[in-house]
Amino acid sequence: AQSVTQPDIHITVSEGASLELRCNYSYGATPYLFWYVQSPGQGLQLLLKYFSGDTLVQGIKGFEAEFKRSQSSFNLRKPSVHWSDAAEYFCAVGTNDMRFGAGTRLTVKP
Amino acid sequence: DAGVIQSPRHEVTEMGQEVTLRCKPISGHDYLFWYRQTMMRGLELLIYFNNNVPIDDSGMPEDRFSAKMPNASFSTLKIQPSEPRDSAVYFCASSPGQGRMGYTFGSGTRLTVV
Repeated sequence: AQSVTQPDIHITVSEGASLELRCNYSYGATPYLFWYVQSPGQGLQLLLKYFSGDTLVQGIKGFEAEFKRSQSSFNLRKPSVHWSDAAEYFCAVGTNDMRFGAGTRLTVKP
Repeated sequence: DAGVIQSPRHEVTEMGQEVTLRCKPISGHDYLFWYRQTMMRGLELLIYFNNNVPIDDSGMPEDRFSAKMPNASFSTLKIQPSEPRDSAVYFCASSPGQGRMGYTFGSGTRLTVV
């Protein structure tokens, strides 16, 4: 069965610092992988997706993620965090039965 | 397009009452999903439809929960009777094809059962 693990419940970074959010997945075949962001009181917004091709994918808001099959990982990165990036981030796997990780809450220090 | 539209945004009801949540997907999206989000269990897939037909309802927690999609532009999630443990945020999402392009989520309905 497909599943997603986000090891970090909460991460705090300083504004301007780099960010990496971890995601590990379990999937029987080539996975469809996604990162979503959720601001308080809002729905989830798609940041980026991967299902084939180049293993480094670019998304919106300056985010990128790298698919590493050997590590079953799909980590999200941003070189310089802005205060507006503070939110909850969810990794997800699958297509018509997408499963979400538990989420990582990002706090940005001024 | 206005995106996925859910109503109401907030619902407070008494235990035992019937609750109906509504969703209008994006026009042209043939898949519709209902999720529930709680602190304890995170995001759970309840049910999804393809071309208005329920495909997988294995996530529906109990018989008190039911979902319908009478046409391509409208879906409901009904809880009858409601219980305090049903309190959560319920999200509707839609996608074109089998979700390979990702889902578009609505803003959710925050349900509180007292």
